[in-house]
Amino acid sequence: GAVVSQHPSWVICKSGTSVKIECRSLDFQATTMFWYRQFPKQSLMLMATSNEGSKATYEQGVEKDKFLINHASLTLSTLTVTSAHPEDSSFYICSANSPGRTYEQYFGPGTRLTVT
Amino acid sequence: GENVEQHPSTLSVQEGDSAVIKCTYSDSASNYFPWYKQELGKRPQLIIDIRSNVGEKKDQRIAVTLNKTAKHFSLHITETQPEDSAVYFCAASLGNTPLVFGKGTRLSVIA
Repeated sequence: GAVVSQHPSWVICKSGTSVKIECRSLDFQATTMFWYRQFPKQSLMLMATSNEGSKATYEQGVEKDKFLINHASLTLSTLTVTSAHPEDSSFYICSANSPGRTYEQYFGPGTRLTVT
Repeated sequence: GENVEQHPSTLSVQEGDSAVIKCTYSDSASNYFPWYKQELGKRPQLIIDIRSNVGEKKDQRIAVTLNKTAKHFSLHITETQPEDSAVYFCAASLGNTPLVFGKGTRLSVIA
């Protein structure tokens, strides 16, 4: 149980275009999901907390107009990277808490974004 | 906010030896301390976790200790094997709040 999926697993896009990444909880409802970004050989850094039915909470330094987050249902959160640039190339990972297990977070498999 | 420091950044051990990775945290309210193993290009995989109401937890070759007073926790891997080679991250959180990760330790087990 407690499976989180992401789509796509990898994407290559041209500079200036937008890319949407989906994060789904497959067998549980997630009122809260988290989006992390991981650059090569670095740690996971929280970008934002996605709350179902309300606006996302962004971490300091993360541009909310560039990284659009929509948590429209209890099983789906999306991250849209708008006007992507090469410096946005990274590994994007989402996670969610299972309602019955408050502490443990379940991670999606990640999305490798490369902006050319 | 919470800050997690992790040491060492790299660690090489001979197969069969033990490996120890240490982390400190800053927020005394944090009560959940997981450890993750991450292989290249993969998601972090939870290997063990501990809550603030216990001081030690063990699962076969892996153990975690927690010192709330000193605000540090450690991962112990015994009888290391080549397949233990990976990057290990510690993290801290308060219940269902976002995890704050350490910078990671690259463990190499030399056969």
